[in-house]
Amino acid sequence: DGGITQSPKYLFRKEGQNVTLSCEQNLNHDAMYWYRQDPGQGLRLIYYSQIVNDFQKGDIAEGYSVSREKKESFPLTVTSAQKNPTAFYLCASRFSSQGHNQPQHFGDGTRLSIL
Amino acid sequence: AQSVSQHNHHVILSEAASLELGCNYSYGGTVNLFWYVQYPGQHLQLLLKYFSGDPLVKGIKGFEAEFIKSKFSFNLRKPSVQWSDTAEYFCAAGAPDTGFQKLVFGTGTRLLVSP
Repeated sequence: DGGITQSPKYLFRKEGQNVTLSCEQNLNHDAMYWYRQDPGQGLRLIYYSQIVNDFQKGDIAEGYSVSREKKESFPLTVTSAQKNPTAFYLCASRFSSQGHNQPQHFGDGTRLSIL
Repeated sequence: AQSVSQHNHHVILSEAASLELGCNYSYGGTVNLFWYVQYPGQHLQLLLKYFSGDPLVKGIKGFEAEFIKSKFSFNLRKPSVQWSDTAEYFCAAGAPDTGFQKLVFGTGTRLLVSP
């Protein structure tokens, strides 16, 4: 089945540690996105990438980093510089080359908690 | 900054009641609008979308939304809700300043339908 796979589902991190969240899609989508979801704040965009080897900062990029070495993969690293990393992280993807009316599709999310 | 507002944060309804969730956006000109739903423990799913044409859009599971340009609104409606509609609902708008590559989300509305 085609879809977006995020792993792990739950992740625990000690303060001061970097941690990387995985996002893989087999939908042949061009664009990929990372959001952070906090109660009462909706989804906020962290980073997005429209093509391989290119990505742009979203609204809350500080303390995060990404890479896009392969079309299928868009890992997110939460660095120790992120002061409040506990959140639910969602990855999404879409066909950006087929026009602006293509919706985003979402993965199941990773819940990150600080120990 | 461009934004999407959902004024109802929590809604409680009895089964068979009618539903209307408000969504307002701040963009002028061409806009792409979406409603997503997040059922408990599941990923975000697209309910419906509007790009152009008929302002009354029908989506899955009996939901519909009406685009009213003069009011900058895209309210979600359902004539008769079911217990299974209990979920969180997000309105989103495609950001024209980025070529619609980004979505801006509202803060979400939690709907609880009591049997």
